[in-house]
Amino acid sequence: DTEVTQTPKHLVMGMTNKKSLKCEQHMGHRAMYWYKQKAKKPPELMFVYSYEKLSINESVPSRFSPECPNSSLLNLHLHALQPEDSALYLCASSQVGTKYGYTFGSGTRLTVV
Amino acid sequence: AQSVSQHNHHVILSEAASLELGCNYSYGGTVNLFWYVQYPGQHLQLLLKYFSGDPLVKGIKGFEAEFIKSKFSFNLRKPSVQWSDTAEYFCAVNVGNTDKLIFGTGTRLQVFP
Repeated sequence: DTEVTQTPKHLVMGMTNKKSLKCEQHMGHRAMYWYKQKAKKPPELMFVYSYEKLSINESVPSRFSPECPNSSLLNLHLHALQPEDSALYLCASSQVGTKYGYTFGSGTRLTVV
Repeated sequence: AQSVSQHNHHVILSEAASLELGCNYSYGGTVNLFWYVQYPGQHLQLLLKYFSGDPLVKGIKGFEAEFIKSKFSFNLRKPSVQWSDTAEYFCAVNVGNTDKLIFGTGTRLQVFP
């Protein structure tokens, strides 16, 4: 079982909805990440949090809003998404300094209708 | 910009055949290198990693990889594949002291009994 837990596993939302994706880890990692993965493509980095502060935003549209309330939790708030935002959203965590490698969650399969 | 190339997009092998998947990166400084595997319907799992020391790295499930600095390569090998190795394999690179992990485009491996 993965040590990074993501909920929900599946989400269908309309373009006017507001929803949130959640990610939780209890490994003491102080870096957490959101990635987006389209079918048959590699994961693409969206956001990096280091010590609960946003350190990298890969020019992600503002309809995606990350939040890191504490060292164990990472949220991704979604609002006014487009159908092309449908993808697998992956959360990962690591010790600060990625030479240790990430631990990934199983992802949330998001469909925007 | 940094990039990671995996030239083998789709590899088909019979069980017991030897495997080598190519990975090249474009960055002249210090790098940390990873191979991840994604089994059908499952999350990304770390196979092995390199950040210093012996350039021949052994990972889980009998995989190994060799870092050749002069060739900017980190190829993945396994002497004898099994049907259960059928999966998507991603090479990933972390550059310098950033928290950013860049993934290659992935190689789909199919192993037939």
